[in-house]
Amino acid sequence: TQLLEQSPQFLSIQEGENLTVYCNSSSVFSSLQWYRQEPGEGPVLLVTVVTGGEVKKLKRLTFQFGDARKDSSLHITAAQPGDTGLYLCASSSNTGKLIFGQGTTLQVKP
Amino acid sequence: GAGVSQSPRYKVTKRGQDVTLRCDPISSHATLYWYQQALGQGPEFLTYFNYEAQPDKSGLPSDRFSAERPEGSISTLTIQRTEQRDSAMYRCASSLGLYTGELFFGEGSRLTVL
Repeated sequence: TQLLEQSPQFLSIQEGENLTVYCNSSSVFSSLQWYRQEPGEGPVLLVTVVTGGEVKKLKRLTFQFGDARKDSSLHITAAQPGDTGLYLCASSSNTGKLIFGQGTTLQVKP
Repeated sequence: GAGVSQSPRYKVTKRGQDVTLRCDPISSHATLYWYQQALGQGPEFLTYFNYEAQPDKSGLPSDRFSAERPEGSISTLTIQRTEQRDSAMYRCASSLGLYTGELFFGEGSRLTVL
């Protein structure tokens, strides 16, 4: 069974700081998704990465897929209070189910 | 519908009672997922449907849990003889199809078992 491990579990930083969140697995990902979940809401897709070594940027967010497709990272530059939320990575198993990591809770203080 | 709709939003029940949660996915979406989510944690997979087929129900915690999607659209998750440990947020999500990317989540059904 593929497991997704995210680190750190919790991050509390000041506005303007940079941060990186990691997602790792012992198995190769076919593809990997990153979601953000705000309090009281469901997760919302940020990005999907498919190719080993791929880098995608979404404004101040940079997503990287490891060359071996077993790890991924999310880097946020100059974090803002609006970035506060639960960040989740997710991947499909070979049976089609989409599994999530345990999440990284980010708190950005003004 | 325009988005994924879940009902009820909140359900409080007594231990031992049966509960049924409903999910109405986006109308063009073939695949529907059920998750259980604890506060501050990632969603835990329960089961999923591709149209009316249920290829994987490995995440259902016990045989008290069952899910249906008889016509390939609306789905229900039923918990029989509820226990306090069943208290959680239950989230439904749908996607266009298997392996086709984005999951769209509903607002969830919060179940409290007293």
